Amino acid sequence: NAGVTQTPKFRILKIGQSMTLQCTQDMNHNYMYWYRQDPGMGLKLIYYSVGAGITDKGEVPNGYNVSRSTTEDFPLRLELAAPSQTSVYFCASRDRDSNTEAFFGQGTRLTVV
Amino acid sequence: AQSVAQPEDQVNVAEGNPLTVKCTYSVSGNPYLFWYVQYPNRGLQFLLKYITGDNLVKGSYGFEAEFNKSQTSFHLKKPSALVSDSALYFCAVRGPGGNRLAFGKGNQVVVIP
Repeated sequence: NAGVTQTPKFRILKIGQSMTLQCTQDMNHNYMYWYRQDPGMGLKLIYYSVGAGITDKGEVPNGYNVSRSTTEDFPLRLELAAPSQTSVYFCASRDRDSNTEAFFGQGTRLTVV
Repeated sequence: AQSVAQPEDQVNVAEGNPLTVKCTYSVSGNPYLFWYVQYPNRGLQFLLKYITGDNLVKGSYGFEAEFNKSQTSFHLKKPSALVSDSALYFCAVRGPGGNRLAFGKGNQVVVIP
């Protein structure tokens, strides 16, 4: 199993540009998450989804959008990139059983200049 | 709302000595508690979890953690640290029936040869 796969691994954007961070999982997990990691700040939840067609905001959703058209894919969209969105982004997934842990992708390092 | 506190920014320990990384949490109801480890430029890897049952939980790579309900703590421990244990460690909590996982800010562990 590949687990959780994120693309791209690195990206530099100019202010105002748009991009989509891709996330796909092959474990048939219902729950998927997007986090951003900033130095000394831990992980902050951006958006999450409990199943195909269902998404909800996390702690820091402003400037981002998501969709969940399939169980496998959970892309994160940045419409108008800002320097404050420079961060490392992690996608994660877990099974619907509440006892289970989340599995993380390798991350996407995004720099907005 | 759920939250996690990891009070120390960095933990330095000599190789072969016991390692402890502290975590306290706040959540309504019985907590689901997790520890993750992150190596440089990698995603988070699951170490161990407490759901119910014995307060002492054993996980990967010789790590264990003790759940203390009265002190709302879930400290990570390893009896004898290795240089390869040097990494960033995150504690996380989820409430019963909750969808979101809240992370602490992380602790950098440095094991000195």
